[in-house]
Amino acid sequence: GAVVSQHPSWVICKSGTSVKIECRSLDFQATTMFWYRQFPKQSLMLMATSNEGSKATYEQGVEKDKFLINHASLTLSTLTVTSAHPEDSSFYICSAREGRETQYFGPGTRLLVL
Amino acid sequence: DAKTTQPPSMDCAEGRAANLPCNHSTISGNEYVYWYRQIHSQGPQYIIHGLKNNETNEMASLIITEDRKSSTLILPHATLRDTAVYYCIVRPNQAGTALIFGKGTTLSVSS
Repeated sequence: GAVVSQHPSWVICKSGTSVKIECRSLDFQATTMFWYRQFPKQSLMLMATSNEGSKATYEQGVEKDKFLINHASLTLSTLTVTSAHPEDSSFYICSAREGRETQYFGPGTRLLVL
Repeated sequence: DAKTTQPPSMDCAEGRAANLPCNHSTISGNEYVYWYRQIHSQGPQYIIHGLKNNETNEMASLIITEDRKSSTLILPHATLRDTAVYYCIVRPNQAGTALIFGKGTTLSVSS
């Protein structure tokens, strides 16, 4: 299957700082990218959907000013957690899809905010 | 999107077939059935998907009932590495639509 990478795989930061997570589709053009987060012992929750060159669409309850998403090219999307707080600590997973093809997932980024 | 119902957990002996059921009684005509799995602390892995015909690939087989209201994922010879949470998801095959995850089935394979 197609490969989606994420960087970094884990990050620890101080409260109040911003953290950027990169998501890349390595062997296909991701016309749509998705960001999910997962808290311990819970399922994945969709945060936002972004189409290349367009503004992201956020799910209800997800603050767009706190979770900045940029999908500037067909192979790269970034999620920036601004002014991170301990409650933002979670497992962030990106996913990508080319048109109507299968949706593939990255390995995830574990964020710990102290 | 149609909702799915899966048992919270299942056990399987190594080497035996694992049959994971999924109910999706409100599925619409244009919605596909997708199966993914998530091994602990990793991103979900695509397994298989289908519309109405049974499907088979190198990982698993997908059996969809004729009325499409339920399906079964079959891992023919389960190994310890198949221990994971398995998610059954229905979604239209339209560009831009996301997969919405339920709670899935935790499959434990033991020797």
